Amino acid sequence: GIQVEQSPPDLILQEGANSTLRCNFSDSVNNLQWFHQNPWGQLINLFYIPSGTKQNGRLSATTVATERYSLLYISSSQTTDSGVYFCAVDTNSGYALNFGKGTSLLVTP
Amino acid sequence: EPEVTQTPSHQVTQMGQEVILRCVPISNHLYFYWYRQILGQKVEFLVSFYNNEISEKSEIFDDQFSVERPDGSNFTLKIRSTKLEDSAMYFCATRQGTEAFFGQGTRLTVV
Repeated sequence: GIQVEQSPPDLILQEGANSTLRCNFSDSVNNLQWFHQNPWGQLINLFYIPSGTKQNGRLSATTVATERYSLLYISSSQTTDSGVYFCAVDTNSGYALNFGKGTSLLVTP
Repeated sequence: EPEVTQTPSHQVTQMGQEVILRCVPISNHLYFYWYRQILGQKVEFLVSFYNNEISEKSEIFDDQFSVERPDGSNFTLKIRSTKLEDSAMYFCATRQGTEAFFGQGTRLTVV
C-alpha cells in the first residue's frame, strides 16, 4: 500500500514562531487531508488538499502532487496549536485513508 | 454544517464484554469507515462499508468485529468479546466524494 511519511516527528516552538510540517507519499493520490488531533483526542479536519494551495487563517497548506509531498504551514503559532498533526492519503475514491505517524507539536508560552 | 456524530464519547467496559459503538453519518454520504487509534500511535483503518456491505477490511478487523446499518441511519461497530488491547480511540468517518469527514471519536477503555 501507499506509504506516508511525516517530518519532523516532534517539534517544540515558542509562541509566535512559524513552522512547516511535511508529508511525503509514495504514490499518486486521489485525496490528501491534514488533521489536527487536539488534547481530547478529537481529529479536526484542517484541509482537504489533493493538489494546490489553500489558506485558512494562520494555517496554509500546499500539495505538489507531481512530486508527492504536501506542506502544512503554521504562522504565529499559539499554545492552542499544540497537538498532533496527521497527514492522510488515499489512492482512489472509496478507499480508506492511510495515515502518517504524525508530527507532535508543542507550543510554549 | 453537517457532521458525523459518534456515541458514546467514552465507554469503559470489562474484559470479555460486548460493546457497540454508534455513528450517525452525514445524510447523503455513501461510504462509511471505522478507524482505530491506540494511545500514542497512528490512526489505523479497520473497515469500509458501502451499499450495505463491507467493501474492504484490514487484518485488524477479525471475527471479533462486525459492522452494520441497523436502521438505515446509524452505522455501528460491534466488538464481541473485548480484550485489554482493544482499548483505543475509535473513529467513524463518512464520505460522498473524495473528502472524508470524521466524527469526534469514542474512547474505549477495557479493564
